[in-house]
Amino acid sequence: GAGVSQSPRYKVAKRGQDVALRCDPISGHVSLFWYQQALGQGPEFLTYFQNEAQLDKSGLPSDRFFAERPEGSVSTLKIQRTQQEDSAVYLCASSPRYYPGTGSTGELFFGEGSRLTVL
Amino acid sequence: SQQGEEDPQALSIQEGENATMNCSYKTSINNLQWYRQNSGRGLVHLILIRSNEREKHSGRLRVTLDTSKKSSSLLITASRAADTASYFCATVRRNFNKFYFGSGTKLNVKP
Repeated sequence: GAGVSQSPRYKVAKRGQDVALRCDPISGHVSLFWYQQALGQGPEFLTYFQNEAQLDKSGLPSDRFFAERPEGSVSTLKIQRTQQEDSAVYLCASSPRYYPGTGSTGELFFGEGSRLTVL
Repeated sequence: SQQGEEDPQALSIQEGENATMNCSYKTSINNLQWYRQNSGRGLVHLILIRSNEREKHSGRLRVTLDTSKKSSSLLITASRAADTASYFCATVRRNFNKFYFGSGTKLNVKP
């Protein structure tokens, strides 16, 4: 597709339910990031993939959060036994660069996000 | 925790005026980037400035970087109502591949 696609755009879950959020990055982008954005705050890093390898998962808040990118393209962020504090917008971003933070280019391309509300 | 902080948190100006927002950060960086986010949307990259650059321009945008003070500023000249959005700085630390975002400046440009 032309941009990063995320689904669902909106998800309401009852506390304790499991949810899965999908990210379809721009075709050919090797780097993929997940961010969590609370209301009125900036995005907080969750995890980073380079192709199918999860190189950094230090931002995942608990072991209830799990992310995968098995074929190096589509990624899924799974949250088990959701809690109210998990309510946030989950943003996915991708980059064609292996090290998007370096050099004179290297911006991230963001999807529209998945807004999760846990009741 | 976030590594960058924007100032002010909110800014309201009239169309045609200039808007200046600032970003401070804590660690050595590879580069600093500014992003824009319209309400309910994803972030869009605006401009990148490398750690060895002091100033950069792109259209109505002017970014400065002072690595000795660990701060950056974004100036939007001749603002338009369509510039209404939240603006975030993102720092990329040396030897890391993470982008750290600040808490953002919410800009409101009144027509």
